[in-house]
Amino acid sequence: GQQLNQSPQSMFIQEGEDVSMNCTSSSIFNTWLWYKQDPGEGPVLLIALYKAGELTSNGRLTAQFGITRKDSFLNISASIPSDVGIYFCAGQQGGSEKLVFGKGTKLTVNP
Amino acid sequence: DAGVIQSPRHEVTEMGQEVTLRCKPISGHDYLFWYRQTMMRGLELLIYFNNNVPIDDSGMPEDRFSAKMPNASFSTLKIQPSEPRDSAVYFCASSSPELGANEQFFGPGTRLTVL
Repeated sequence: GQQLNQSPQSMFIQEGEDVSMNCTSSSIFNTWLWYKQDPGEGPVLLIALYKAGELTSNGRLTAQFGITRKDSFLNISASIPSDVGIYFCAGQQGGSEKLVFGKGTKLTVNP
Repeated sequence: DAGVIQSPRHEVTEMGQEVTLRCKPISGHDYLFWYRQTMMRGLELLIYFNNNVPIDDSGMPEDRFSAKMPNASFSTLKIQPSEPRDSAVYFCASSSPELGANEQFFGPGTRLTVL
């Protein structure tokens, strides 16, 4: 099946630092979504992207839909301890409501 | 607004027993998805429904797994008989593309442990 390559697998940063993570695929996607999952909870939608080249922000989070439609990145600026969690990218192809998920980026923020 | 509701939150059972997981989607959402999450395989789509009708069950691992959606506000995922390798967190999610978005909203999950 389709796969999304998400990197890095984990990150250890200091509070206040900026963070960047990305997802790539060999296939084209029509929608890119970024989720965050806290321990013991379900993934929570952070940002949804619908157009190639689209750049969307949600507070300190910024995500972009790659121009080739095969990649997306998520940036977090000025990280804080509550940013800790696992971040997942997800892609959706045309003609289906199915999402393909990346394996996640585990973020640790040291105070 | 209430989000996606799942029950139970935790289930511990013995191999061979029947397990039933329950989900109430967000009111007005006409798509419902069942996922399984494990460390090894990540988030996997098992099956999804549109207007209570199963659309794609290609992710259901085997005949021991079955899912139903008798009405717009309730769905079940059943495993019979359960096996230790079924241990995972099972998520239900819902979405409503007619509202102009394809975003899926997840429930809190059911952590299943099969001994």
